[in-house]
Amino acid sequence: GEDVEQSLFLSVREGDSSVINCTYTDSSSTYLYWYKQEPGAGLQLLTYIFSNMDMKQDQRLTVLLNKKDKHLSLRIADTQTGDSAIYFCAEGEGRRALTFGSGTRLQVQP
Amino acid sequence: EAGVAQSPRYKIIEKRQSVAFWCNPISGHATLYWYQQILGQGPKLLIQFQNNGVVDDSQLPKDRFSAERLKGVDSTLKIQPAKLEDSAVYLCASSGTEAADTQYFGPGTRLTVL
Repeated sequence: GEDVEQSLFLSVREGDSSVINCTYTDSSSTYLYWYKQEPGAGLQLLTYIFSNMDMKQDQRLTVLLNKKDKHLSLRIADTQTGDSAIYFCAEGEGRRALTFGSGTRLQVQP
Repeated sequence: EAGVAQSPRYKIIEKRQSVAFWCNPISGHATLYWYQQILGQGPKLLIQFQNNGVVDDSQLPKDRFSAERLKGVDSTLKIQPAKLEDSAVYLCASSGTEAADTQYFGPGTRLTVL
């Protein structure tokens, strides 16, 4: 079945870049998403990439997709303390349920 | 544009009691999802509606969970009777019906079953 995997934890210093990685198994995935969840809140859509793209940049966020290896990454430039949260990778498309990873907790140290 | 609304935000009940959650999706979104998020895990789909019809309820424990979206707008998710393992955050999301449409999530209802 479909599976999405992420590392559990990442710690960086404020001002550094953060790279959060994700692997997925469903080669038919149309879109891949990154959501952010702060404590006690729902999921906030950060960015997404269509499966025929290699890279997408959106301000401080860069998404890289390697379809051959089924590997997705999210790079956050100039990481701030406000970026501390859990980041979820998900695969799917708008009209069907998404399959989520277990989330990566990003801790930003001042 | 108003986001996805959910209520209540928190609920504490004892096992074997019943509970209901409410969701109001973004205006115009035909597709509505209920996800269950257990602590330390990603959200998992319980049920998906398109308008007032069920698209996917294969992961819904139908012996205790039920959901409806009678007029194709608001939705209610019910648990009766609740078990300890139902303690989780219940997230509602909505989207359009195109593949490129993204899903937007509500703040969730945190359920604790004692």
